[in-house]
Amino acid sequence: DAGITQSPRHKVTETGTPVTLRCHQTENHRYMYWYRQDPGHGLRLIHYSYGVKDTDKGEVSDGYSVSRSKTEDFLLTLESATSSQTSVYFCAISESESQYFGPGTRLTVL
Amino acid sequence: GESVGLHLPTLSVQEGDNSIINCAYSNSASDYFIWYKQESGKGPQFIIDIRSNMDKRQGQRVTVLLNKTVKHLSLQIAATQPGDSAVYFCADSQGGSEKLVFGKGTKLTVNP
Repeated sequence: DAGITQSPRHKVTETGTPVTLRCHQTENHRYMYWYRQDPGHGLRLIHYSYGVKDTDKGEVSDGYSVSRSKTEDFLLTLESATSSQTSVYFCAISESESQYFGPGTRLTVL
Repeated sequence: GESVGLHLPTLSVQEGDNSIINCAYSNSASDYFIWYKQESGKGPQFIIDIRSNMDKRQGQRVTVLLNKTVKHLSLQIAATQPGDSAVYFCADSQGGSEKLVFGKGTKLTVNP
């Protein structure tokens, strides 16, 4: 499982509330990623990080922000959650060119 | 732009048969390809990868074939088992890029 954990694993929240998802890795990988997975869309990249405090946007970054203050943790924040952000969120790390995924967080925004 | 897709959204096979899952990619500059397996409620699991300087690569019960001429990738699973039931999807990247482009997936169902 590449030493990746995500928390929480499930969350239900209301529209307009802030939400932070956490990804934690234990193997000191430089690259970390946040994806969302929705039916009919496959995995879409939200943001990624190539080092501490180094992040960049993916294809669906609107409404999301990230932070990486230490190598092992990559946080995804929804400043004001909307129903369109109901999804399953996956964190991944990169080893060589391959990516390895965490178990996912199912987020429901009511 | 880049896109990675699959020919069939679902595939149903009998236990013990061989399965073939296909993938088409559009970026002729892609040089690295991965197959993932995703079981219900779990994260994608790396199965096998292949670089563009190879046509075929074998793993345990799985083989990936790459046809660069027609930009086609396939995953063959030998002696398919019920535990192989999952969604399979491919991904590609270009020139050592850390970004992968993912296909939508094919759902494989193995009937006993």
